Amino acid sequence: SQQGEEDPQALSIQEGENATMNCSYKTSINNLQWYRQNSGRGLVHLILIRSNEREKHSGRLRVTLDTSKKSSSLLITASRAADTASYFCATEGALGGAGSYQLTFGKGTKLSVIP
Amino acid sequence: GAGVSQSPSNKVTEKGKDVELRCDPISGHTALYWYRQSLGQGLEFLIYFQGNSAPDKSGLPSDRFSAERTGGSVSTLTIQRTQQEDSAVYLCASSLLAGDEQYFGPGTRLTVT
Repeated sequence: SQQGEEDPQALSIQEGENATMNCSYKTSINNLQWYRQNSGRGLVHLILIRSNEREKHSGRLRVTLDTSKKSSSLLITASRAADTASYFCATEGALGGAGSYQLTFGKGTKLSVIP
Repeated sequence: GAGVSQSPSNKVTEKGKDVELRCDPISGHTALYWYRQSLGQGLEFLIYFQGNSAPDKSGLPSDRFSAERTGGSVSTLTIQRTQQEDSAVYLCASSLLAGDEQYFGPGTRLTVT
């Protein structure tokens, strides 16, 4: 069953603009991970944020986590055509609970960056 | 270094046949995971191995599915008596330790005719 729900389902922006994707989840988590997928294959790991962290940066990526609202956001700044892909959030269940160590994925946001 | 590798990249099989899918995790990674991705169900967890502990099989959809991990490294996912609903991309991932980033292989696209 799906735990994470990404919003929006699809996003189209011009190159150079920022893209923001949101993820909501339902149960307690150990961490939340964001992935990119091109052409329906090969998930590329982008960033992991742990439940005791609120924000992480990696290059042009910024991820926030609000455990009180059970939500996360992924911001891609200064987007490029090469950023066109589907983006998934995945939650790992709280340690010792159901879903520990296994990732539960949302349905993804399809991002199109127009040159 | 080498990432997670999977073979074959594509597999077409007839309904009722058995298939074996292989995963080579990143060297040194102790945890290995299998997922599948299909149009109808999205990305689903199947099974997880950590070191010598008993695997977490809670995601396997039926007893036709099984997996083993030999020597703490290579893993094989076996689907017996394949059905058309088994058609999906089967993805393998590994992590250094359980709870760390999971790195995915390119997947095996299984088509059951």
